[in-house]
Amino acid sequence: GGIITQTPKFLIGQEGQKLTLKCQQNFNHDTMYWYRQDSGKGLRLIYYSITENDLQKGDLSEGYDASREKKSSFSLTVTSAQKNEMAVFLCASRLGGRTGQLYFGEGSKLTVL
Amino acid sequence: QQKVQQSPESLSVPEGGMASLNCTSSDRNFQYFWWYRQHSGEGPKALMSIFSDGDKKEGRFTAHLNKASLHVSLHIRDSQPSDSALYFCAARVQGGSAKLIFGEGTKLTVSS
Repeated sequence: GGIITQTPKFLIGQEGQKLTLKCQQNFNHDTMYWYRQDSGKGLRLIYYSITENDLQKGDLSEGYDASREKKSSFSLTVTSAQKNEMAVFLCASRLGGRTGQLYFGEGSKLTVL
Repeated sequence: QQKVQQSPESLSVPEGGMASLNCTSSDRNFQYFWWYRQHSGEGPKALMSIFSDGDKKEGRFTAHLNKASLHVSLHIRDSQPSDSALYFCAARVQGGSAKLIFGEGTKLTVSS
């Protein structure tokens, strides 16, 4: 088995601040994802990466940057935090191929003051 | 924009009852479907996948896929309080894209 570790678990920032979330996986999976979940709602795709140094935009990429410098890690940066961005950010990974399922971390909860 | 729509938004069933959740995709190119379950305070976990038309049964859970009508459903037999959670339908298009789209979720409450 493997695990996905997201840090920090809770992040408090100021409006306008640049904030970074980190994700590590030891599954040796090729593909990694960042999703945003607002208050128990659905998951919206921000960025995904199919291999090291690859980045693909999701439907919610505006206002975010991502970085995949190693196969095992995937970072997400909120470029300028806004009050309406209080949400849980979920990282996931998946083995390549057509049918692999996603494995999720526990999430990072962002609060903007 | 590719979308996956779920219904109902919330559902309450008694312990031992049957829960039925629905999902409709907007794009005929969606070919691979999953159901995920998320308990409060945790990340979602994959429950089951379905890629071919028809039924797929795993224990108390049965998924049904009809690609012609772009409809997927999940039926939970003999529902337990531990089944209370947020359930998501997720879909991926055929071909090389790794993009996975999730629905808004159905909140299931099973009362004892």
